[in-house]
Parts: sequence; C-alpha cells; structure tokens
Amino acid sequence: SQQGEEDPQALSIQEGENATMNCSYKTSINNLQWYRQNSGRGLVHLILIRSNEREKHSGRLRVTLDTSKKSSSLLITASRAADTASYFCATAEGTDKLIFGTGTRLQVFP
Amino acid sequence: GAVVSQHPSWVICKSGTSVKIECRSLDFQATTMFWYRQFPKQSLMLMATSNEGSKATYEQGVEKDKFLINHASLTLSTLTVTSAHPEDSSFYICSARPGGYGYTFGSGTRLTVV
Repeated sequence: SQQGEEDPQALSIQEGENATMNCSYKTSINNLQWYRQNSGRGLVHLILIRSNEREKHSGRLRVTLDTSKKSSSLLITASRAADTASYFCATAEGTDKLIFGTGTRLQVFP
Repeated sequence: GAVVSQHPSWVICKSGTSVKIECRSLDFQATTMFWYRQFPKQSLMLMATSNEGSKATYEQGVEKDKFLINHASLTLSTLTVTSAHPEDSSFYICSARPGGYGYTFGSGTRLTVV
C-alpha cells in the first residue's frame, strides 16, 4: 500500500536554486519522515517532523507539516549537484510499518 | 549508529530457481524487520513485516509462498524468492527500527531473473 502522492514526480534545477517537494498523505499520523535515495542504493533518513510540529530545519533542509491538509513539504535551499537523488516522504502506520509516498526525482545541474 | 547489512548487493539467477537475501542488524537487536520491493523509478512498496520467532505478516497481494521470510534470530531476517520469474526482477530493501522514531535501511539487493 502507498500512503500518498508526492509532487512533482520529477524536478530539474540549477545548482544554487531551491528545490521544493510536496507530499500528501491519507491517514492520521504521529510523525512524517523524509528520506533520500541515490540511484540503486538504500535509503538515508533526512528529517522527522512530529504531528504537533509545523516546521523543522536541518542544515539546508526545511520541512513543513500541515496536518489539517494532510500535507508536508521539503525545501532544499542552495541546491548542489550532490543533492541529485530521489526523495520520499514516509509515515508510520500502526506501530511500526513505514509507508512511502510516490517520490520526487530531483536532478541538480552544475 | 545502527547499521543494517544486506547482501548480496546484486544477484542474477535463472528462472525457476530460488534466491535468498539476508538482512542483518549489526549493532542492535531487531525483533521486527521490514521488506520492501522497488521497481525502477517507483517508490518502495512494503511486502512484509518479519517478526523474530514468529510468522511474518504479509501485505495484501504479496504471495507468502513465493516470498518466504524467516526471522530466526534477533539479528537476522532472510527473504527467499522461490521459483523466481523475470517479473520478480526488482530492487529489494530491508529495514529495521533500532529505537525511537528512526529506521535504518539496508543497501538493497538488485535481483535480475533471466
């Protein structure tokens, strides 16, 4: 099963620009997480935002959460070519099951 | 930090054969591990939750007789793709939750069935 949709599906930008990815989910959540995946590799946890939080920062990452709209956004500021990857939001169902969104493929051109 | 080791990284097998993928928690005990499948340019789809010492819980639509999961110890879960067919070719990833809110993922196994 999939929790929700992410948009855009693909995003191409130049280095230095900001990248914004959006995620919508369906069920009530305790927290929402963002992950990064380089092509053909495992996932790396980026940031977690709890349901009672509205915004969170980590380095060049900024995550927002709107539980009334069941949506979240991930902003990467001053992007670098090394940020090229796929980005997924994920929420936990039940006690432990992590369900992923459809993902955004980000391409940052030098 | 908590590490999950998955191997093999890639495997090519002939149709009709079985393939075993291992997922080990290296520095923590994992009573539960999760197995995902990912097709090219798609998201991760949860296949099953493996539980140490008991039967795995499979997601709807996943054939339990085809994807055998064994979680015999607190540090090892295995996924066996039985009688593999080309449509089983995919990227398989395991994960565990060492504690708190975080999840740790293996590096994935790319299975190609020819």
